Amino acid sequence: SAVISQKPSRDICQRGTSLTIQCQVDSQVTMMFWYRQQPGQSLTLIATANQGSEATYESGFVIDKFPISRPNLTFSTLTVSNMSPEDSSIYLCSVQGAAYEQYFGPGTRLTVT
Amino acid sequence: GENVEQHPSTLSVQEGDSAVIKCTYSDSASNYFPWYKQELGKRPQLIIDIRSNVGEKKDQRIAVTLNKTAKHFSLHITETQPEDSAVYFCAATSSGNTPLVFGKGTRLSVIA
Repeated sequence: SAVISQKPSRDICQRGTSLTIQCQVDSQVTMMFWYRQQPGQSLTLIATANQGSEATYESGFVIDKFPISRPNLTFSTLTVSNMSPEDSSIYLCSVQGAAYEQYFGPGTRLTVT
Repeated sequence: GENVEQHPSTLSVQEGDSAVIKCTYSDSASNYFPWYKQELGKRPQLIIDIRSNVGEKKDQRIAVTLNKTAKHFSLHITETQPEDSAVYFCAATSSGNTPLVFGKGTRLSVIA
């Protein structure tokens, strides 16, 4: 399986600021995804990030709030903009393998004060 | 779109007993069904998966069964151990271009 890293692993941010989360994979992958996981909850898909095209956002998530970049086949960023306490969560990137399987990064634990 | 229901939400078993978690899906086009284990503070880890062309798959103490007609699939863990305690998620997807849709998770506690 792919080796996936995320930076930062955790952060505490003030309301109204923005945070950019980086996701790095050790091999080229076509499909990358960004998820949010609230404490004790399941995984909620934010968007699908494909290299060379605009990200596809799920209902309830918009580009102005969660801009995504996918400059190449091994890297992506998710920005959480104009943060509020409701954005406190764990953010995970995920990549798809050759046979539909998905692997997750270690996550970024975000706390907004 | 796809909808995945997972039951039960919590499950407690005695060490050595078996545990069964069940999921149903709505999209008959779904053809890939993975299971993830998430320990506290860790990322979800893929533990087993099944595709629509098979009815059962085993890997040591864990097995997954699929009933395409009824649109449900189940995770079976035998001879449970305390280290099996975690949250388990089922998921489904219909193609390589669509992301997984996850169930709400089952918190499994194995009591020694």
